[in-house]
Amino acid sequence: QKEVEQNSGPLSVPEGAIASLNCTYSDRGSQSFFWYRQYSGKSPELIMFIYSNGDKEDGRFTAQLNKASQYVSLLIRDSQPSDSATYLCAVNPVNRDDKIIFGKGTRLHILP
Amino acid sequence: AAGVIQSPRHLIKEKRETATLKCYPIPRHDTVYWYQQGPGQDPQFLISFYEKMQSDKGSIPDRFSAQQFSDYHSELNMSSLELGDSALYFCASSLAGTLGEQYFGPGTRLTVT
Repeated sequence: QKEVEQNSGPLSVPEGAIASLNCTYSDRGSQSFFWYRQYSGKSPELIMFIYSNGDKEDGRFTAQLNKASQYVSLLIRDSQPSDSATYLCAVNPVNRDDKIIFGKGTRLHILP
Repeated sequence: AAGVIQSPRHLIKEKRETATLKCYPIPRHDTVYWYQQGPGQDPQFLISFYEKMQSDKGSIPDRFSAQQFSDYHSELNMSSLELGDSALYFCASSLAGTLGEQYFGPGTRLTVT
């Protein structure tokens, strides 16, 4: 089992709808979880991080963490064409200091 | 706010040549990471440094070496370049103890011909 798994997509969502991106991880002791947005040819941009079970909201973005199910998700409300990008889930495994393991990323396409 | 700086942004080299990539972390960040990203791939971790000491090593070829200097900037040295080394190289920085909260630079696009 890969350490961090994401559906590669593409995930197509109509403009204005909610985009839901999912990620599962294998290390039950993982401590922190990150969502990066990456436009083609650009660097990953940290958009959300979450450490505790539950929801964390920041503007149109909500990160959800369920450690029991080893599942983290990102919701994007009121999706905009500018949200079209690859979203990388990253996890900090237990006892790995500040190293993070990336998933393969989900390509999101917002349909105008 | 100041971000991670990388230079050069683009680099073209021939096979068997050497290349040096530079990274200047966010001020007060003490940890630097290097990643390689091929087309359609997720970033692959190469190596990291904390307080000028190597802290972790990933899939870095023996032909590559890196170090972090007293001003916390880092350099990735790549020798005997191969066509397969063509990729985007990202540097990221973080403050130790933030459990992986890394901020990426704009990257260096290396093309080996």
